[in-house]
Amino acid sequence: DSGVTQTPKHLITATGQRVTLRCSPRSGDLSVYWYQQSLDQGLQFLIQYYNGEERAKGNILERFSAQQFPDLHSELNLSSLELGDSALYFCASSPRTGMYLFFGQGTRLTVV
Amino acid sequence: AQTVTQSQPEMSVQEAETVTLSCTYDTSENNYYLFWYKQPPSRQMILVIRQEAYKQQNATENRFSVNFQKAAKSFSLKISDSQLGDTAMYFCAFMTWDSNYQLIWGAGTKLIIKP
Repeated sequence: DSGVTQTPKHLITATGQRVTLRCSPRSGDLSVYWYQQSLDQGLQFLIQYYNGEERAKGNILERFSAQQFPDLHSELNLSSLELGDSALYFCASSPRTGMYLFFGQGTRLTVV
Repeated sequence: AQTVTQSQPEMSVQEAETVTLSCTYDTSENNYYLFWYKQPPSRQMILVIRQEAYKQQNATENRFSVNFQKAAKSFSLKISDSQLGDTAMYFCAFMTWDSNYQLIWGAGTKLIIKP
């Protein structure tokens, strides 16, 4: 158990819909990262937050947004979903930038 | 551009054998961090081992060890006494100041341990 909690574990939704993925980092970790992993692909970095502020942005679509709240949990919002958004979405946390990342178990999103 | 190359898409060995997964990377930075992550069929990403570039001593974690060759920009992972539970995708990654401390990932090596 990495200490990073993601909910829900599985999500099935229709095209055009909006979903919210939630992540609770390890206790004390200030950095939260979001990654997308499509089937049999590597991880694509989406976005990073540090202590409530956006720190870095990767290949995140405009239809996607995220935020980190004062209690350090983070949410990733995916809207106008398309079939191609079906993937495993990981949240990871680290105590500070440059340290190793601990990953949650991921949310498997299926868009039908 | 900073890149990570894992030249072995798939490998398979017998249980109890030793296997080495290769990884090369490209960066102009002098200080960086290198990682091996494991992704078993459950799809969870698990940190296997971490190496800081300024440390000459190779990192070791139980049956897992690395051969870090800084000049050659090589970071291979050796798994000794392989077990069935080692079957997984293995990803090599690194982060540098130049990458804004974001992980740069390799494409992964699928390792199958046969009974």
